Amino acid sequence: DAKTTQPTSMDCAEGRAANLPCNHSTISGNEYVYWYRQIHSQGPQYIIHGLKNNETNEMASLIITEDRKSSTLILPHATLRDTAVYYCIVRVATSNTGKLIFGQGTTLQVKP
Amino acid sequence: EAQVTQNPRYLITVTGKKLTVTCSQNMNHEYMSWYRQDPGLGLRQIYYSMNVEVTDKGDVPEGYKVSRKEKRNFPLILESPSPNQTSLYFCASSSGTSGNYEQFFGPGTRLTVL
Repeated sequence: DAKTTQPTSMDCAEGRAANLPCNHSTISGNEYVYWYRQIHSQGPQYIIHGLKNNETNEMASLIITEDRKSSTLILPHATLRDTAVYYCIVRVATSNTGKLIFGQGTTLQVKP
Repeated sequence: EAQVTQNPRYLITVTGKKLTVTCSQNMNHEYMSWYRQDPGLGLRQIYYSMNVEVTDKGDVPEGYKVSRKEKRNFPLILESPSPNQTSLYFCASSSGTSGNYEQFFGPGTRLTVL
């Protein structure tokens, strides 16, 4: 699975959009980009995933660059409850183990 | 409500006393997995199961056992716990046999082995 690089921490004002970047310059053609988050020692929570097209769901949007070497997770209207560690994970869809490799992630602090 | 449950949520025990952490999901998922989370090491996969009676080792299986006798349950067994197994444990499940779809995680079990 390709390695990802994320900023260690970010701040965002409540009600504003939070844009979390992720670099994955060695991504392969069959690897997807997944985003999960973990709120203070709770179980990780799936947010969104994509291959090459931009994706949107009720939680967030995922923007993947055309060369697929980086992506951005967008929380359109951040709330205090979005304060969490956000993990960008790159892996093949047909993993033999189903394993998710969580790196250090980005700690997002949403401030009033 | 679709969910993964774990019990107990907190456990303090002593070295060598066998224990079982239960995991149950109500989504009819084929795939289930156990992770442990330690500061600075992230989440590491212990064991996983593609389906009933099919289990395999993850990255850190030493000192753990699992079983998958029925689809909904995937207990984690520590036959002789040691202090280095003090950790936060998460169970996860997913539809599909390889966990390739959205994975649902349980709330975690914080284990302390004295």
